[in-house]
Amino acid sequence: SQELEQSPQSLIVQEGKNLTINCTSSKTLYGLYWYKQKYGEGLIFLMMLQKGGEEKSHEKITAKLDEKKQQSSLHITASQPSHAGIYLCGADHTSGTYKYIFGTGTRLKVLA
Amino acid sequence: GAGVSQSPSNKVTEKGKDVELRCDPISGHTALYWYRQRLGQGLEFLIYFQGNSAPDKSGLPSDRFSAERTGESVSTLTIQRTQQEDSAVYLCASSLVRSSYNEQFFGPGTRLTVL
Repeated sequence: SQELEQSPQSLIVQEGKNLTINCTSSKTLYGLYWYKQKYGEGLIFLMMLQKGGEEKSHEKITAKLDEKKQQSSLHITASQPSHAGIYLCGADHTSGTYKYIFGTGTRLKVLA
Repeated sequence: GAGVSQSPSNKVTEKGKDVELRCDPISGHTALYWYRQRLGQGLEFLIYFQGNSAPDKSGLPSDRFSAERTGESVSTLTIQRTQQEDSAVYLCASSLVRSSYNEQFFGPGTRLTVL
């Protein structure tokens, strides 16, 4: 089984709608990272969360970390076609190391 | 400014051939990482470099895989006697220091197809 589970696996929303993507870890989280991937462009760093209860926002994207639940959520408000892509969460399961474990990704499509 | 670059962007090869994938990290980044992403799957850690040494090679899937890095610059991932299961996107990333608390900057990847 995956150490990092993302849900949903894919999502299609109408432009302007809000949406949430979840990332659940089977192990203790020492750091949780959100990336966006577009074909041919590699991964784009969105946010890093380290402390339980931490919440960060960038433009219309907000991410929260629930350390107790070993879970993070990524929320997009008023989605736009530019938000389309694959959202990946990555986690550090061992304090202060370099190894990320990545989830399988959530493929987002936004209909104009 | 220049980001992480990888070449080639696409590589199609025949089973049994050797391939070399190149990664140019961001200048000044001491840490360099290689990942593999199979279709529909997440990223799989392969190897990590601190400078030109690779303290952890445990992610390499087999002895057909090897990687080198010249100083704190370019890295090459070599796959010998390629197999169809090697088909994937190979991603390289670099970061300022060896720490998971530093953002990793990713290259666009090399899409490898083994026929």
